[in-house]
Amino acid sequence: ELKVEQNPLFLSMQEGKNYTIYCNYSTTSDRLYWYRQDPGKSLESLFVLLSNGAVKQEGRLMASLDTKARLSTLHITAAVHDLSATYFCAVDVYNNNDMRFGAGTRLTVKP
Amino acid sequence: DVKVTQSSRYLVKRTGEKVFLECVQDMDHENMFWYRQDPGLGLRLIYFSYDVKMKEKGDIPEGYSVSREKKERFSLILESASTNQTSMYLCASSFWIRGAKNEQFFGPGTRLTVL
Repeated sequence: ELKVEQNPLFLSMQEGKNYTIYCNYSTTSDRLYWYRQDPGKSLESLFVLLSNGAVKQEGRLMASLDTKARLSTLHITAAVHDLSATYFCAVDVYNNNDMRFGAGTRLTVKP
Repeated sequence: DVKVTQSSRYLVKRTGEKVFLECVQDMDHENMFWYRQDPGLGLRLIYFSYDVKMKEKGDIPEGYSVSREKKERFSLILESASTNQTSMYLCASSFWIRGAKNEQFFGPGTRLTVL
């Protein structure tokens, strides 16, 4: 059974600092996704990572995928308050129709 | 833009009531999903459907059923609501391309409270 673990679950950081969120998964998978959720809102797709070594960047966020290590990272550069949200990684279940989500990382960026 | 809509944002029901949660997507997606989201547990898949009238159990199907009579609509049914079904329910849809599934697009969610 595919298990997805995110670390940390809670992250409080100062504006301007850098940090990384980690997403480990337990079995072979086709692809990995990162989503953002603002309080009281639904999930918004951030990145889709399709292959080993894939790297995608949008603004202050950069996501990467290492399928051999079964690890994805979401790197935050020079954090700003607007990035405060909960971030989820999700992994496709290989040869199946669904995906598994991590528990989410609640990020708070303080001034 | 993909649009996934859910019939209610907030719903309050009593124990034992039958509850219907409706989800509609307008992008002709093949796949549709129902999740529940609880603090500290992330999203857990209840049921999904990859075609009309097709359904597959997810991780936590007990106490729920689903219906997909039309491609754009996927309904979640709580036959007899219980207090432990108080949760946020999220619907999502995705499409197939070249035999692989793609990112899921989520609806706004329904916060259900069962008293």
